Amino acid sequence: DTAVSQTPKYLVTQMGNDKSIKCEQNLGHDTMYWYKQDSKKFLKIMFSYNNKELIINETVPNRFSPKSPDKAHLNLHINSLELGDSAVYFCASSQSSTSGLTQETQYFGPGTRLLVL
Amino acid sequence: GNSVTQMEGPVTLSEEAFLTINCTYTATGYPSLFWYVQYPGEGLQLLLKATKADDKGSNKGFEATYRKETTSFHLEKGSVQVSDSAVYFCALAGNQFYFGTGTSLTVIP
Repeated sequence: DTAVSQTPKYLVTQMGNDKSIKCEQNLGHDTMYWYKQDSKKFLKIMFSYNNKELIINETVPNRFSPKSPDKAHLNLHINSLELGDSAVYFCASSQSSTSGLTQETQYFGPGTRLLVL
Repeated sequence: GNSVTQMEGPVTLSEEAFLTINCTYTATGYPSLFWYVQYPGEGLQLLLKATKADDKGSNKGFEATYRKETTSFHLEKGSVQVSDSAVYFCALAGNQFYFGTGTSLTVIP
């Protein structure tokens, strides 16, 4: 059973296009995340949703828009793709703790490798 | 604020060598600490964790001890294998996860 799944695994597209990446988790978690990993493996958090509500929104261009139709899904839509958007995008999920802190283990999807030409 | 500083790589070791990857942190309060591993072409997987001072996390022969006095969580393994070749990330859990920059490990036969 796949805990956190992402589609597509690979995405090759032209500059200026709009694309979406989907993420689903079957762990019953109520918090989901999007991360961007650059070519040097540096991980940067982009967004976090808790029970469909946006709780972390780092400095990310507004061309990136997350959407959470329910707590098991968090999709990422990217408008007007640029060369610098090429990276691996990871979805993750965790169970939120009662303290409000992110003490719980995060479970990651396999990643979506985006290449913008 | 919260941050994690991780030993720069890449690290290359011969099979059966001893491994240490250093990780130090800055945090308010008492965060949980984690090591994640990323094998080539895959997502991150939890390797081990520790939730309070002096806890030792261990898994697959890897160990790390939460040292509050030195604000460290160094990853160790007594005898590495070729299959341990991967990128290792130290992470701290506060109001969000703070990841280190990752350390690439290559083990040669």
